[in-house]
Order: sequence, then C-alpha cells, then structure tokens
Amino acid sequence: DGGITQSPKYLFRKEGQNVTLSCEQNLNHDAMYWYRQDPGQGLRLIYYSQIVNDFQKGDIAEGYSVSREKKESFPLTVTSAQKNPTAFYLCASSRWGQGGNQPQHFGDGTRLSIL
Amino acid sequence: SQQGEEDPQALSIQEGENATMNCSYKTSINNLQWYRQNSGRGLVHLILIRSNEREKHSGRLRVTLDTSKKSSSLLITASRAADTASYFCATVQGAQKLVFGQGTRLTINP
Repeated sequence: DGGITQSPKYLFRKEGQNVTLSCEQNLNHDAMYWYRQDPGQGLRLIYYSQIVNDFQKGDIAEGYSVSREKKESFPLTVTSAQKNPTAFYLCASSRWGQGGNQPQHFGDGTRLSIL
Repeated sequence: SQQGEEDPQALSIQEGENATMNCSYKTSINNLQWYRQNSGRGLVHLILIRSNEREKHSGRLRVTLDTSKKSSSLLITASRAADTASYFCATVQGAQKLVFGQGTRLTINP
C-alpha cells in the first residue's frame, strides 16, 4: 500500500541535542512538507520541498533544518536552537499542482518531548 | 499566519444528528480544502472545493463555498461515533502552501 511513514512515533530530546525525524513516502509525490502542531492548535508550516535538492522555509523555520536528497525522503532535524521543541510533528506529501489544487497526504506524526 | 478560522471551536452532538462547521478566510483563494484528524493521528483529506464551485458532496459530507463572504461550511449528515475528530479547513498561500485553521473539535455522543 502507498503511503507516508514517519518514525519514530515518540522521541525524547535532551538539552543541547539535535534530533532527526524521518519521513518516507512511496506515493511518487514531488512535494513534501513538515508541519508542527501544538495542543489544541492547527498546523504551522516549518519547511516544504517541491523537488529534489530544493526546499523553502515555511512560517516557523527557525531552529529546524531539512534535506531533500531523494524524492522519497524528507528528514527534519530539530536543532538545539529550537528552544521549545515539544510538539506533534506531521509530514505530508502531494503531487505538484498549480494553485495548491492537490490534496496533501499525511503521515501519523512524531511526538517530540523534552527530557 | 492562520488564514482559515473554524467556528465553533468545539461541537458536541448526539449520534444521528447533523453537524455543521464553518470556516472563514481573509484573502482570495483558488480552492479550499477540508481535512479530518483523529486523536493522535495525521490528517486525512476530505474534500477540495474550487473557487468557481458553490457546493460539493461526498457521501455524508456536504461542503459549500461563498467567495463573496469568504466563508465555507462543512455539513456531516446522520453523524456516527466514528465521526468524532477535529476538522480543519485549509486555504492556499503562494503556489503550494496550505494554511490551516485551528480546527473544530467534534464529539458525537452515542
């Protein structure tokens, strides 16, 4: 079955530590996205990528970094510069379409907490 | 910035009743999308309605769009316990960026 796989499901970060969240898709989608969701809130865009080896900052990119070396993979690193990383992180992918006319497909998220 | 704003923030109804959620937005759009999120899970796409459409149906779901009022509504008919979830509207900023509202938490009571 095609879909998006995020791992791990739960992750704990120590002070000063960088952690990397994995996102893999086998839907052959060009575009991939990372969102942050805080309790009772909507989603905020961290980074997105429209094509391999290219990505753009979203609304809250500070303290995060990404890479897009393969079409299927879009890992997110939460750096020590992100002072409030506790949140639910969601990865999504979509076909590339003009005007955002393509639905996004989501993984089941990674919940990151501070030790 | 959050463009779509859902109303109400929370809604609790009895099984079998209809549930209506509203979304307002600020700028002009090409389309508007509705998503569902079950607790602790990712979002699932429900319906995309284009700016030149006024109404769209999918099973028990009915979405309307009023571009003059910059608003949309999602109606779930004959609700079931499995419909308990948060529902988000999303609009597009730029070429591909979706902007989500804060969502409506829907609870269906048996």
